[in-house]
Amino acid sequence: DIQMTQSPSSLSASVGDRVTITCRASQSISSHLNWYQQKPGKAPNLLIYDASRLQSGVPSRFSGSESGTDFTLTISSLQPEDLATYYCQQTYSTPWTFGQGTKVEIK
Amino acid sequence: QVQLQESGPGLVKPSQTLSLTCTVSGGSISSGSYFWTWIRQPAGKGLEWVGRIYTSGSTSYNPSLKSRVTMSLDTSKNQFSLKLTSVTAADTAVYYCGRGWTSMDVWGQGTTVTVSS
Repeated sequence: DIQMTQSPSSLSASVGDRVTITCRASQSISSHLNWYQQKPGKAPNLLIYDASRLQSGVPSRFSGSESGTDFTLTISSLQPEDLATYYCQQTYSTPWTFGQGTKVEIK
Repeated sequence: QVQLQESGPGLVKPSQTLSLTCTVSGGSISSGSYFWTWIRQPAGKGLEWVGRIYTSGSTSYNPSLKSRVTMSLDTSKNQFSLKLTSVTAADTAVYYCGRGWTSMDVWGQGTTVTVSS
């Protein structure tokens, strides 16, 4: 199985801050990396697919990038509604695997 | 707009079979190239991919569950299903169904399944 190591596990930031979450794959996954946002009590919601493509309807403050087996989700200006847990997911090979999640809190 | 809705018993006894159905509305389960997928999430924990079924009916399961999992499609009802046999407390989780190809763009709201006697 491909292991996805996500960091940090949690963070606290102020409204307007730039927030970065990283996900490292245990092997090459090409660009088959997705980011999801999960708000408390809700299903995950797709933010970024294919490492850097913004899903329709998702605010432009969210962006994704990749460098080899390292992938980054950036929130350019944190908003109160961004309180959530964020997960990366690889779909390069089965079993599809997720990172452990990053819980984002607002200071 | 495609929507998914999970249904099934919320309580299953240990050693029995968990059976869930996902009903697709707003589109046909047979159209397009999609994997119809099950994901689960134990309370307070992360997401685990259970498996997927393609529109052709071909399946792929998580090896950690493979011997216990079966997925199927019912195109006449626009549904797909999950069966997990010999359940234990470790199978207690919120179960989500979803649609996707290389990403999951549509999710159901999730259904909680508790394994307990």
